[in-house]
Amino acid sequence: NAGVTQTPKFRILKIGQSMTLQCTQDMNHNYMYWYRQDPGMGLKLIYYSVGAGITDKGEVPNGYNVSRSTTEDFPLRLELAAPSQTSVYFCASISGTVNTEAFFGQGTRLTVV
Amino acid sequence: GNSVTQMEGPVTLSEEAFLTINCTYTATGYPSLFWYVQYPGEGLQLLLKATKADDKGSNKGFEATYRKETTSFHLEKGSVQVSDSAVYFCALSEGGGSYIPTFGRGTSLIVHP
Repeated sequence: NAGVTQTPKFRILKIGQSMTLQCTQDMNHNYMYWYRQDPGMGLKLIYYSVGAGITDKGEVPNGYNVSRSTTEDFPLRLELAAPSQTSVYFCASISGTVNTEAFFGQGTRLTVV
Repeated sequence: GNSVTQMEGPVTLSEEAFLTINCTYTATGYPSLFWYVQYPGEGLQLLLKATKADDKGSNKGFEATYRKETTSFHLEKGSVQVSDSAVYFCALSEGGGSYIPTFGRGTSLIVHP
């Protein structure tokens, strides 16, 4: 199994540009999450989804959007990129039915200049 | 709301030293507790977990006991190795429909030969 796959691994954006961070899981997990990780600040939840067609805001949703059209995919969209969005982004998934530990992707390191 | 507090780092040890990383939590219900480890340039991966009071999670020589009376889940290892150098995150997750993991800020461990 590939687990949780994120693309791209690295990206540099100019202020005002937009991009989509891709996240795919092949474990048939219902629950998926997007976090951002800033130095010394731990992980902050951006958006989450409890199943296809259902999404909800986390702690820091401003400047981001998500969709969940299938169980496997949970892309994160950045519109009008700002320097404050420079961070490392992690996607995670949880089964919920079998167990509750989170499986993480390798992360996307985004720099906005 | 839920929260996790863990000791600040970095923790610097010599090889074969004893390790303790403190973690306390606040939760509204009866959460599952986790320790995740993050090696440089990678995503988080599960180190160990405990799902109910007095459970002990263990893996790769690391241990942590779910203490409901003190709301704690301290991570310990009797003899650390250079390869244990990483960032360690304490986390909790409750059911109730979303299983959203709540993370501490992370503790960096540096082990010198």
